[in-house]
Order: sequence, then structure tokens, then C-alpha cells
Amino acid sequence: QKEVEQNSGPLSVPEGAIASLNCTYSDRGSQSFFWYRQYSGKSPELIMSIYSNGDKEDGRFTAQLNKASQYVSLLIRDSQPSDSATYLCAVKGSGAGSYQLTFGKGTKLSVIP
Amino acid sequence: NAGVMQNPRHLVRRRGQEARLRCSPMKGHSHVYWYRQLPEEGLKFMVYLQKENIIDESGMPKERFSAEFPKEGPSILRIQQVVRGDSAAYFCASSPRLSDAYNEQFFGPGTRLTVL
Repeated sequence: QKEVEQNSGPLSVPEGAIASLNCTYSDRGSQSFFWYRQYSGKSPELIMSIYSNGDKEDGRFTAQLNKASQYVSLLIRDSQPSDSATYLCAVKGSGAGSYQLTFGKGTKLSVIP
Repeated sequence: NAGVMQNPRHLVRRRGQEARLRCSPMKGHSHVYWYRQLPEEGLKFMVYLQKENIIDESGMPKERFSAEFPKEGPSILRIQQVVRGDSAAYFCASSPRLSDAYNEQFFGPGTRLTVL
């Protein structure tokens, strides 16, 4: 059974700080990794995707991937109250079923003004 | 609106009735996925479709649930004889093409089903 694990939080950070969100996955053959942001009562919004080991930066967001450790993280710099949401880690697996995403339960982030 | 469209946004049904949820993918996208999010649970894959084909329905409950994506018109997720446990948010996502190894999926606004 393919699993994606995240700390449920809530993770509270002060405005302007760096928020660090973590995710581990069980399928060693996984190829693609995604971070979605979901505001309460809304749908998931894709904010980052990463496919190779290392870091990928997009504005205030940095995704980090370590396939050997089966670990993905998302850093949010200069956190803003508008970043308060649940962040979902999603993994696209390998082999049969490689088109479906397996999601973690999400980490709830609260940015305190 | 170039995004994924879903309707209705909210649907209330009594136990035993049928629910029909519709999804139109983003323009240029030919792959549709349905996911379900139960209260306090993560998103769970249900089914993957292309036009006129069900590719993978491994996440669909064996009974009462069906999905289609006809040549013309939206994809439809159909739930027959709904029960209270079907109450959830149902999200549709689309992606441009399977050959794209990245396979980024973009989500619609969802249909929130409430079964009384």
C-alpha cells in the first residue's frame, strides 16, 4: 500500500518567518511530487512540483526532494497570514497506477500576524 | 473560464436517491480524475478516465458508484442509492496528456454532497 505521511499540525509560525513542511512516502519508485495548498472549504491548488533530487525555487516557495530518504519538503519564506491553509503533499507513483496521485492528510499552517 | 468546472457545487440528497456530479476538464486536457475527500480525511483517488474509456477505477467502491466520460459532454460521476457515508467533497482534476511524465493535475472547485 502506497503511503504518504505528513505531520497534521497545526504548525504555527509568526509573520515573516520561514515555514517548513515535511512529507515522507513509501513507494521508492515514485517519480513526481507535488505540493497543493487547500484553503478551508476550497479545492486543492497546485503550488509546486518537483521531479529531481535537490531544490526547486519559485518565488517564496522552495521544494526539496531527497529520493534516497524518500522525503519531500516545502519551505515558505517570509510567511504571510494569507499562507494560512492546509498543505497537501502528493506523490505520483511508479508502474501500474502511476497516473493517480496519492495524497497525505495535509499539514495545517497558521501564520500569526 | 479556462479552469476545471464542476457542477453542482453543492448537492443535497436523501438516502436512497441518486447523485450525479459533472466535470468539464480544462481546455486542452483529455484526462480526468475523480477524488473524494471525506471529512477530516485526505484526498482519495477514485477513477481515471479518458474520452469514452475508463482507464483505472481501482479506487471506486464496487457497488453504487460509476463514472463515464463520453465523447461529447462532461465527465459524470454517478452514485446510486446514496447513504450517509457518501457525504463528502468530490473533486475532479484534469491533466493535459499521459505522456507528460510530470502529469500535473489541476483541480476543480468540487461538489459537496450531503446525504440526509
